[in-house]
Amino acid sequence: EVHLVESGGGLVQPGGSLRVSCAASGFTFSSYEMNWVRQAPGKGLEWLSYISSSGTGSYYAGSVKGRFTISRDNAKNSLYLQMDSLRPEDTAVYYCARMGTASYYLDYWGQGTLVTVSP
Amino acid sequence: SYEVTQPLSVSVALGQTARITCGGNNIGSKNVHWYHQKPGQAPVLVIYMNTNRPSGIPERFSGSNSGNTATLTISSAQAGDEADYFCQVWDSSTMLFGGGTQLTVL
Repeated sequence: EVHLVESGGGLVQPGGSLRVSCAASGFTFSSYEMNWVRQAPGKGLEWLSYISSSGTGSYYAGSVKGRFTISRDNAKNSLYLQMDSLRPEDTAVYYCARMGTASYYLDYWGQGTLVTVSP
Repeated sequence: SYEVTQPLSVSVALGQTARITCGGNNIGSKNVHWYHQKPGQAPVLVIYMNTNRPSGIPERFSGSNSGNTATLTISSAQAGDEADYFCQVWDSSTMLFGGGTQLTVL
């Protein structure tokens, strides 16, 4: 069974940094593209970033490009999102999600980790 | 940049058919995917590539996509179908979500 478990969320001050992680199990992690998606309180879904299965290719949403960095360690079955220069508007639940094999959709999601950016 | 739009809310009587739309310029030329999300839970994929249901999703859920509108149809709506529904497309190396539609089953 596919499992994605995020961790590393918490309270951080504006301008600070945080790294959230996603531990994957139940599938061959190195064969799948992965993504990060966030959801601000009471708001909709916002895609943040994509990474290829090998980790050599990535894309970012304009709102986080230059501040956030996606990476993965296939030996550890782990996905990461390094977040720098955090702003109050980055406050959200951060989800990791696996990309489907046939097209650009997200077939499995983690339960999310809450990041709060506040003084 | 490409945009997709959804109605904020849709209501349906118990046992009737609900239709949730996702609009975009020539969206019929793209693959549209649908998710539902219940309060406090992660999103769940219900339709992928316009018309396909993942395993475990009831046959009551179906999708279509043509012209400028994609549609998620839920037949025989049940109380447990109450949730937020999001459409999603991929365009120019970017994943785009609609703003979400809150489905209420009356």
